[in-house]
Amino acid sequence: DSGVTQTPKHLITATGQRVTLRCSPRSGDLSVYWYQQSLDQGLQFLIQYYNGEERAKGNILERFSAQQFPDLHSELNLSSLELGDSALYFCASSVESQETQYFGPGTRLLVL
Amino acid sequence: GQQLNQSPQSMFIQEGEDVSMNCTSSSIFNTWLWYKQDPGEGPVLLIALYKAGELTSNGRLTAQFGITRKDSFLNISASIPSDVGIYFCAGRNNFGNEKLTFGTGTRLTIIP
Repeated sequence: DSGVTQTPKHLITATGQRVTLRCSPRSGDLSVYWYQQSLDQGLQFLIQYYNGEERAKGNILERFSAQQFPDLHSELNLSSLELGDSALYFCASSVESQETQYFGPGTRLLVL
Repeated sequence: GQQLNQSPQSMFIQEGEDVSMNCTSSSIFNTWLWYKQDPGEGPVLLIALYKAGELTSNGRLTAQFGITRKDSFLNISASIPSDVGIYFCAGRNNFGNEKLTFGTGTRLTIIP
């Protein structure tokens, strides 16, 4: 158990819908990262937050957005969902921005 | 997005055999990390390397930070069934770009 929690574990929705994925970092960690992993693919970095502020951006679509709240939990919002958005979405956290990242169990999103 | 070149893509071995995999990059990295991912789970950190030439062990696992800082190696000795999974390398250069870049993964299968 990495100490990073993600909810929900599974999510099934329809195209065009909007969903919110939630992540709670390890206690004491200030940085949160979001990744997307499509079937049998590597991890694609989406976005990083550090202590509530956006720190780095990767290959995140405009239809996706994220935020980190004062209690340091983070949410990833996916809107106007398409079939291709079906994937595992992982959250990771680290103490500081450049420290080793610890991953949560992921949210499996299926868009039908 | 940018990804590291990881090889081999997949390995089929017998229990008890040793395993070697590597990761190469066109860029210099200051940190190399090795993760293992079980099906449907989040990646779990195995070994972190912070210095060129560093050799670090974690039980039957040994990883090395290449001298050129453009590669890293992971060896698993005397493989056991629970070693099955996907192994990812990840690198970070810490030069104003703090995000981790992940390798494409090596899928390890143990033949009974």
